[in-house]
Amino acid sequence: DTAVSQTPKYLVTQMGNDKSIKCEQNLGHDTMYWYKQDSKKFLKIMFSYNNKELIINETVPNRFSPKSPDKAHLNLHINSLELGDSAVYFCASRMGADTQYFGPGTRLTVL
Amino acid sequence: EDQVTQSPEALRLQEGESSSLNCSYTVSGLRGLFWYRQDPGKGPEFLFTLYSAGEEKEKERLKATLTKKESFLHITAPKPEDSATYLCAAGRGTGANNLFFGTGTRLTVIP
Repeated sequence: DTAVSQTPKYLVTQMGNDKSIKCEQNLGHDTMYWYKQDSKKFLKIMFSYNNKELIINETVPNRFSPKSPDKAHLNLHINSLELGDSAVYFCASRMGADTQYFGPGTRLTVL
Repeated sequence: EDQVTQSPEALRLQEGESSSLNCSYTVSGLRGLFWYRQDPGKGPEFLFTLYSAGEEKEKERLKATLTKKESFLHITAPKPEDSATYLCAAGRGTGANNLFFGTGTRLTVIP
């Protein structure tokens, strides 16, 4: 059973487009995250939601907007995509102060 | 400013050749030091959490240790399947909600 899943796995799009990445977890966790991993493999937190409430919002352009329709889902919408947005985006989740579990990642390529 | 530095960036070992990976950190209000393993094209996989200086944890050929300034991941008699990127992360904020990652050590074990 997949614990943290993301769709799509690969996303190739043109500059200026708007795209979304979806994340779902079936672990019953109450906190979900979005991370960005750049070409140098540096993994940096972007957002964190707890029980559908935004609790961490790092310095991220406001073109990025997370949306949590329920505790099991956290989607990432990106407006007006730029070349520098190309990266691998990871969703993660955890329960309370437990370990964070990561999804398989979405590789976004902006042309 | 919080910093997590991993060394070396890359390490090649012969099968059976033991070694250690280093994670130095300068983080205010540290709430745990986390080790993850990341295989190419996959999300980080949790290995260990260490909370206090002097703490040690083991799993198969891996042992993680923690001091007040750094953590080590010792690999004893590695096998080719141990090849991966090893990431350490400092937990910040309430319940270590915010993980601040280092850039990783890419380990290659040669048969």
